[in-house]
Amino acid sequence: NAGVTQTPKFQVLKTGQSMTLQCAQDMNHNSMYWYRQDPGMGLRLIYYSASEGTTDKGEVPNGYNVSRLNKREFSLRLESAAPSQTSVYFCASQRTANTEAFFGQGTRLTVV
Amino acid sequence: DQQVKQNSPSLSVQEGRISILNCDYTNSMFDYFLWYKKYPAEGPTFLISISSIKDKNEDGRFTVFLNKSAKHLSLHIVPSQPGDSAVYFCAASGVNAGNNRKLIWGLGTSLAVNP
Repeated sequence: NAGVTQTPKFQVLKTGQSMTLQCAQDMNHNSMYWYRQDPGMGLRLIYYSASEGTTDKGEVPNGYNVSRLNKREFSLRLESAAPSQTSVYFCASQRTANTEAFFGQGTRLTVV
Repeated sequence: DQQVKQNSPSLSVQEGRISILNCDYTNSMFDYFLWYKKYPAEGPTFLISISSIKDKNEDGRFTVFLNKSAKHLSLHIVPSQPGDSAVYFCAASGVNAGNNRKLIWGLGTSLAVNP
């Protein structure tokens, strides 16, 4: 009954460091998403993957890369972290675009 | 350019009364609308949805109304309970120029239900 699992839950990086946020879903969903949430900004889409093997940019893709490793997993990579990337990151999945999205618990990332 | 707007950043109601959260959208191609609830330090959780072929959908204490001509939807919570205190997000989707769909989110309304 895991749903959408994100790791890690918390991370502190120094400016310039790299890291990968992992996301996995066990609901056999086609679409997966990465969002960031900042105070007063709502949820902003970074990248999404409509199906296995495809990825597309969202509203705020700069500084990020993604990989849809298989149907279950969608990872988000920060190659060179910047303080502006301090945020809470959410992964989500949907069976199809006309159904509800399920979210992970979030990753709180601080870049110092 | 915010395509989905939640103009009230916050709302406070008394326990037992009705909470009405509003959402406006600008894109007439949107045909599916959802409400999510978010507690601090948790991911958003799905609450209720409505397709553009309907004007009302009800699930227990939660009812969503859609007025397509006004491009407006609202979420009614009756009766409101202290546990309903959370941030509520409105989201919409429709087929875009690339024949893709993705959810477009409002900025959220923080609801406080006072005992």
